[in-house]
Amino acid sequence: AQTVTQSQPEMSVQEAETVTLSCTYDTSENNYYLFWYKQPPSRQMILVIRQEAYKQQNATENRFSVNFQKAAKSFSLKISDSQLGDTAMYFCAFQLLDSNYQLIWGAGTKLIIKP
Amino acid sequence: DGGITQSPKYLFRKEGQNVTLSCEQNLNHDAMYWYRQDPGQGLRLIYYSQIVNDFQKGDIAEGYSVSREKKESFPLTVTSAQKNPTAFYLCASSIAGTSGRPRYNEQFFGPGTRLTVL
Repeated sequence: AQTVTQSQPEMSVQEAETVTLSCTYDTSENNYYLFWYKQPPSRQMILVIRQEAYKQQNATENRFSVNFQKAAKSFSLKISDSQLGDTAMYFCAFQLLDSNYQLIWGAGTKLIIKP
Repeated sequence: DGGITQSPKYLFRKEGQNVTLSCEQNLNHDAMYWYRQDPGQGLRLIYYSQIVNDFQKGDIAEGYSVSREKKESFPLTVTSAQKNPTAFYLCASSIAGTSGRPRYNEQFFGPGTRLTVL
């Protein structure tokens, strides 16, 4: 069975700093996707970034980038120039490319950006 | 605007009562999901449906029931058999995993319903 672990329950940084959120996963499969979702205080779940396991290049979306280490089964999220609006819960999720495409979720990291 | 709506936003239930949470989407997605979110935990899958009139149990289906009579709608009933129903419930939709083998399955989420048992 696949599992996703986020080892940092809570983090806080000053505005404009860079922060990295950790995620590790466990699978014996080779074809999968990884996602980072953001849940702000409004509780609306929003996709931040995704990574295809077959791609070696790390995904980037504006201030958000990932460090994907397939052999180490690690998928960290880096937020550059953090903003107050980045304050949220961040969830790492794993998706196996089988017929169901279900998401397996980590427990989340609460990120607080301080002014 | 396309999206997913959930109602009500807040719901209160007395012990022993069944309650139904609504989820509607106009994204033309075949697949729909119900998740439960508790503090300090990730999302846990209750039920999912990849096509009308068909649905499967997720990891924590006991005490819940669903129906999928229309593509747009996937209501969740929390029955009196659910011993600890107080939680935040999220509905999501996506293209179906079986429709043409999509590269990935991005799930789009509704705003959620907070259920409290009194």
